[in-house]
Amino acid sequence: GAGVSQSPSNKVTEKGKDVELRCDPISGHTALYWYRQSLGQGLEFLIYFQGNSAPDKSGLPSDRFSAERTGGSVSTLTIQRTQQEDSAVYLCASSFRTSGSEQFFGPGTRLTVL
Amino acid sequence: GEDVEQSLFLSVREGDSSVINCTYTDSSSTYLYWYKQEPGAGLQLLTYIFSNMDMKQDQRLTVLLNKKDKHLSLRIADTQTGDSAIYFCAESTSGTYKYIFGTGTRLKVLA
Repeated sequence: GAGVSQSPSNKVTEKGKDVELRCDPISGHTALYWYRQSLGQGLEFLIYFQGNSAPDKSGLPSDRFSAERTGGSVSTLTIQRTQQEDSAVYLCASSFRTSGSEQFFGPGTRLTVL
Repeated sequence: GEDVEQSLFLSVREGDSSVINCTYTDSSSTYLYWYKQEPGAGLQLLTYIFSNMDMKQDQRLTVLLNKKDKHLSLRIADTQTGDSAIYFCAESTSGTYKYIFGTGTRLKVLA
Protein backbone atom coordinates (compact mmCIF):
# COMPACT_ATOMS: atom_id res chain seq x y z
CA GLY A 1 0.00 0.00 0.00
CA ALA A 2 0.93 3.64 -0.14
CA GLY A 3 1.47 3.98 3.58
CA VAL A 4 1.35 2.14 6.88
CA SER A 5 -2.16 1.02 7.74
CA GLN A 6 -3.54 -0.11 11.05
CA SER A 7 -6.78 -1.78 12.03
CA PRO A 8 -9.09 -1.29 13.69
CA SER A 9 -8.90 2.48 13.99
CA ASN A 10 -10.91 2.35 17.21
CA LYS A 11 -11.49 -0.51 19.61
CA VAL A 12 -13.66 -0.46 22.70
CA THR A 13 -13.47 -3.54 24.85
CA GLU A 14 -14.40 -4.71 28.30
CA LYS A 15 -11.83 -5.27 31.00
CA GLY A 16 -10.54 -8.84 30.89
CA LYS A 17 -11.11 -9.39 27.17
CA ASP A 18 -8.32 -10.05 24.66
CA VAL A 19 -7.67 -7.70 21.73
CA GLU A 20 -5.65 -7.94 18.54
CA LEU A 21 -4.27 -4.91 16.77
CA ARG A 22 -2.97 -5.18 13.24
CA CYS A 23 -0.31 -3.28 11.33
CA ASP A 24 0.40 -3.42 7.60
CA PRO A 25 3.77 -1.79 6.95
CA ILE A 26 5.00 -0.27 3.72
CA SER A 27 6.06 -2.98 1.31
CA GLY A 28 9.81 -3.58 1.45
CA HIS A 29 10.29 -2.06 4.89
CA THR A 30 12.21 -4.55 6.99
CA ALA A 31 12.00 -2.71 10.30
CA LEU A 32 8.70 -2.46 12.17
CA TYR A 33 8.02 -0.76 15.50
CA TRP A 34 5.12 -0.68 17.92
CA TYR A 35 4.65 2.30 20.25
CA ARG A 36 2.05 3.25 22.80
CA GLN A 37 0.88 6.85 23.18
CA SER A 38 -0.98 7.72 26.34
CA LEU A 39 -2.56 11.08 27.08
CA GLY A 40 0.13 13.58 28.01
CA GLN A 41 2.88 11.02 27.48
CA GLY A 42 5.42 10.66 24.76
CA LEU A 43 5.73 7.63 22.59
CA GLU A 44 6.51 4.58 24.67
CA PHE A 45 8.53 2.01 22.72
CA LEU A 46 7.00 -1.46 22.93
CA ILE A 47 8.76 -3.77 20.47
CA TYR A 48 10.89 -3.76 17.35
CA PHE A 49 10.97 -6.28 14.50
CA GLN A 50 13.73 -6.78 11.99
CA GLY A 51 12.16 -9.05 9.42
CA ASN A 52 10.17 -11.61 11.38
CA SER A 53 12.34 -11.62 14.46
CA ALA A 54 11.99 -9.35 17.46
CA PRO A 55 15.44 -8.61 18.86
CA ASP A 56 14.04 -6.32 21.53
CA LYS A 57 10.83 -7.01 23.42
CA SER A 58 11.94 -5.12 26.49
CA GLY A 59 9.36 -2.39 26.04
CA LEU A 60 6.37 -4.68 26.40
CA PRO A 61 4.71 -3.59 29.68
CA SER A 62 3.77 -7.06 30.91
CA ASP A 63 3.45 -10.66 29.83
CA ARG A 64 -0.12 -9.89 28.77
CA PHE A 65 1.39 -8.16 25.73
CA SER A 66 2.77 -10.10 22.80
CA ALA A 67 3.47 -9.41 19.15
CA GLU A 68 4.35 -11.33 16.07
CA ARG A 69 5.24 -10.58 12.50
CA THR A 70 4.77 -12.99 9.64
CA GLY A 71 6.26 -13.03 6.16
CA GLY A 72 8.32 -9.98 7.01
CA SER A 73 5.18 -7.93 6.58
CA VAL A 74 2.01 -7.82 8.69
CA SER A 75 2.36 -7.56 12.45
CA THR A 76 -0.17 -8.25 15.18
CA LEU A 77 -0.01 -6.87 18.71
CA THR A 78 -2.08 -8.91 21.15
CA ILE A 79 -3.13 -7.76 24.59
CA GLN A 80 -4.62 -10.45 26.79
CA ARG A 81 -6.93 -9.84 29.74
CA THR A 82 -7.04 -6.11 29.03
CA GLN A 83 -6.92 -3.65 31.91
CA GLN A 84 -8.11 -0.04 32.02
CA GLU A 85 -4.51 1.19 32.09
CA ASP A 86 -4.04 -0.39 28.65
CA SER A 87 -6.26 2.35 27.17
CA ALA A 88 -4.08 4.35 24.78
CA VAL A 89 -3.33 4.89 21.12
CA TYR A 90 -1.15 2.14 19.71
CA LEU A 91 1.04 3.32 16.85
CA CYS A 92 2.91 1.21 14.36
CA ALA A 93 5.81 2.48 12.27
CA SER A 94 7.97 0.93 9.59
CA SER A 95 11.25 1.94 8.02
CA PHE A 96 13.45 0.74 5.21
CA ARG A 97 16.27 0.07 7.60
CA THR A 98 17.13 0.92 11.17
CA SER A 99 18.57 4.15 12.52
CA GLY A 100 19.02 7.03 10.14
CA SER A 101 16.02 6.00 8.14
CA GLU A 102 12.70 7.81 8.32
CA GLN A 103 10.01 6.02 10.27
CA PHE A 104 6.63 6.05 8.57
CA PHE A 105 3.78 5.92 11.03
CA GLY A 106 0.32 4.48 10.71
CA PRO A 107 -2.72 6.42 11.98
CA GLY A 108 -2.86 4.33 15.13
CA THR A 109 -5.49 2.25 16.91
CA ARG A 110 -7.28 3.96 19.77
CA LEU A 111 -7.97 1.32 22.41
CA THR A 112 -10.48 2.01 25.18
CA VAL A 113 -10.87 -0.53 27.94
CA LEU A 114 -14.07 -0.06 29.96
CA GLY B 1 18.80 5.71 30.25
CA GLU B 2 18.34 8.01 27.31
CA ASP B 3 15.75 10.72 27.69
CA VAL B 4 14.24 13.41 25.51
CA GLU B 5 12.33 16.28 27.10
CA GLN B 6 10.03 18.93 25.71
CA SER B 7 7.63 21.46 27.16
CA LEU B 8 4.03 20.35 26.82
CA PHE B 9 2.31 23.42 25.41
CA LEU B 10 3.01 26.44 23.25
CA SER B 11 0.55 29.06 22.09
CA VAL B 12 1.34 31.66 19.41
CA ARG B 13 -0.56 34.12 17.26
CA GLU B 14 -0.98 33.52 13.55
CA GLY B 15 1.87 35.11 11.63
CA ASP B 16 4.30 35.02 14.55
CA SER B 17 7.26 32.66 14.77
CA SER B 18 7.03 29.54 16.94
CA VAL B 19 10.04 28.03 18.67
CA ILE B 20 9.72 24.54 20.08
CA ASN B 21 12.57 23.34 22.27
CA CYS B 22 13.91 19.90 23.10
CA THR B 23 16.72 18.58 25.26
CA TYR B 24 18.21 15.12 25.10
CA THR B 25 20.68 13.20 27.19
CA ASP B 26 22.37 10.73 24.84
CA SER B 27 25.67 12.23 23.73
CA SER B 28 26.06 9.52 21.09
CA SER B 29 22.93 10.63 19.24
CA THR B 30 23.57 10.71 15.53
CA TYR B 31 20.23 11.83 14.12
CA LEU B 32 17.70 14.21 15.60
CA TYR B 33 14.22 14.45 14.19
CA TRP B 34 11.12 16.59 14.35
CA TYR B 35 7.79 14.88 13.75
CA LYS B 36 4.34 16.46 13.49
CA GLN B 37 1.14 14.75 14.63
CA GLU B 38 -2.20 16.15 13.55
CA PRO B 39 -5.39 15.09 15.37
CA GLY B 40 -6.33 11.48 14.73
CA ALA B 41 -3.25 10.83 12.61
CA GLY B 42 0.11 9.19 13.00
CA LEU B 43 3.38 11.06 13.16
CA GLN B 44 4.83 12.60 10.04
CA LEU B 45 8.51 13.43 9.68
CA LEU B 46 9.02 17.17 9.22
CA THR B 47 12.78 17.38 9.14
CA TYR B 48 15.90 15.89 10.65
CA ILE B 49 19.46 16.96 11.33
CA PHE B 50 22.72 15.07 11.65
CA SER B 51 24.57 15.62 14.90
CA ASN B 52 27.54 17.13 13.06
CA MET B 53 25.36 19.99 11.82
CA ASP B 54 24.45 23.19 13.66
CA MET B 55 21.54 24.32 11.57
CA LYS B 56 19.22 23.17 8.86
CA GLN B 57 16.68 25.30 7.04
CA ASP B 58 13.77 24.01 5.01
CA GLN B 59 11.29 26.64 3.82
CA ARG B 60 9.52 27.92 6.94
CA LEU B 61 11.34 25.49 9.23
CA THR B 62 14.70 26.12 10.87
CA VAL B 63 16.34 23.51 13.08
CA LEU B 64 19.11 24.58 15.44
CA LEU B 65 21.32 22.10 17.26
CA ASN B 66 23.56 22.92 20.20
CA LYS B 67 25.40 19.67 20.67
CA LYS B 68 27.35 20.89 23.67
CA ASP B 69 24.15 21.63 25.59
CA LYS B 70 22.24 18.76 23.91
CA HIS B 71 19.56 21.24 22.90
CA LEU B 72 17.50 21.10 19.73
CA SER B 73 14.96 23.65 18.57
CA LEU B 74 12.45 23.94 15.76
CA ARG B 75 11.50 27.38 14.55
CA ILE B 76 8.40 27.79 12.39
CA ALA B 77 8.29 31.13 10.63
CA ASP B 78 4.95 32.83 9.84
CA THR B 79 3.00 30.26 11.84
CA GLN B 80 -0.38 29.36 10.36
CA THR B 81 -3.47 27.79 11.91
CA GLY B 82 -2.66 24.64 9.94
CA ASP B 83 0.51 24.32 11.98
CA SER B 84 -1.54 23.56 15.08
CA ALA B 85 -0.50 20.03 16.05
CA ILE B 86 1.72 18.09 18.42
CA TYR B 87 5.42 18.25 17.60
CA PHE B 88 7.72 15.44 18.71
CA CYS B 89 11.46 15.59 19.01
CA ALA B 90 13.28 12.25 18.61
CA GLU B 91 16.82 10.97 18.51
CA SER B 92 18.55 7.85 17.30
CA THR B 93 22.10 6.60 17.20
CA SER B 94 23.80 5.17 14.14
CA GLY B 95 24.03 1.40 14.23
CA THR B 96 21.13 1.00 16.61
CA TYR B 97 17.45 0.55 15.96
CA LYS B 98 16.07 2.54 18.84
CA TYR B 99 14.39 5.90 18.45
CA ILE B 100 13.75 7.88 21.63
CA PHE B 101 10.81 10.28 21.45
CA GLY B 102 9.98 13.24 23.64
CA THR B 103 6.58 13.82 25.20
CA GLY B 104 5.53 16.13 22.39
CA THR B 105 4.71 19.84 22.42
CA ARG B 106 1.16 20.83 21.61
CA LEU B 107 1.27 23.96 19.46
CA LYS B 108 -1.86 26.06 19.35
CA VAL B 109 -2.03 28.85 16.78
CA LEU B 110 -4.47 31.62 17.58
CA ALA B 111 -6.12 33.45 14.70
